[in-house]
Amino acid sequence: QQPVQSPQAVILREGEDAVINCSSSKALYSVHWYRQKHGEAPVFLMILLKGGEQKGHDKISASFNEKKQQSSLYLTASQLSYSGTYFCGSSNDYKLSFGAGTTVTVRA
Amino acid sequence: DTAVSQTPKYLVTQMGNDKSIKCEQNLGHDTMYWYKQDSKKFLKIMFSYNNKELIINETVPNRFSPKSPDKAHLNLHINSLELGDSAVYFCASSQVAGTGELFFGEGSRLTVL
Repeated sequence: QQPVQSPQAVILREGEDAVINCSSSKALYSVHWYRQKHGEAPVFLMILLKGGEQKGHDKISASFNEKKQQSSLYLTASQLSYSGTYFCGSSNDYKLSFGAGTTVTVRA
Repeated sequence: DTAVSQTPKYLVTQMGNDKSIKCEQNLGHDTMYWYKQDSKKFLKIMFSYNNKELIINETVPNRFSPKSPDKAHLNLHINSLELGDSAVYFCASSQVAGTGELFFGEGSRLTVL
């Protein structure tokens, strides 16, 4: 069963912050985050393996609350290059299932 | 040197035809996947192979038949194409099944007319 992401879309001005949420009705053993730019393949951002874990990639960071079966991706001081669709993925039974994606548009 | 490569990038074909997409990875990974991305960008897993053995088949119609001649290659053959098969098909690989980073190919855009 795929995780649920919110919001579906967000529009930002350069320098603004945003949060993308990912939740699952099933136990989350790990959470993966990917970004896909228009016309390109999804690209790996980070994996969170343990509850309470936080990671960062440039000014993009994420947290994982295992008990609440949730993860959040934080876009800080957004740049034009952050535009794209962000997918969270949950790993279960040897497969990675993705949420429906959150489209982020960063405007100058 | 492309890590995961797919061919062709674009396919345009008529309903009822058969088509194949090929995928190769040079990362030495044990696991390969096919994902389908529809027009709403939803990425859905179709199949997964681990060391040439099918480990995941996500209720995909029998018209879709994957084949893995060796662990570096995973091909997808589609029979009797339907309009609803139009999508972008991504091949991916990872070192361990279902965990770790997935490396995606560039995608193959299939359009069924």
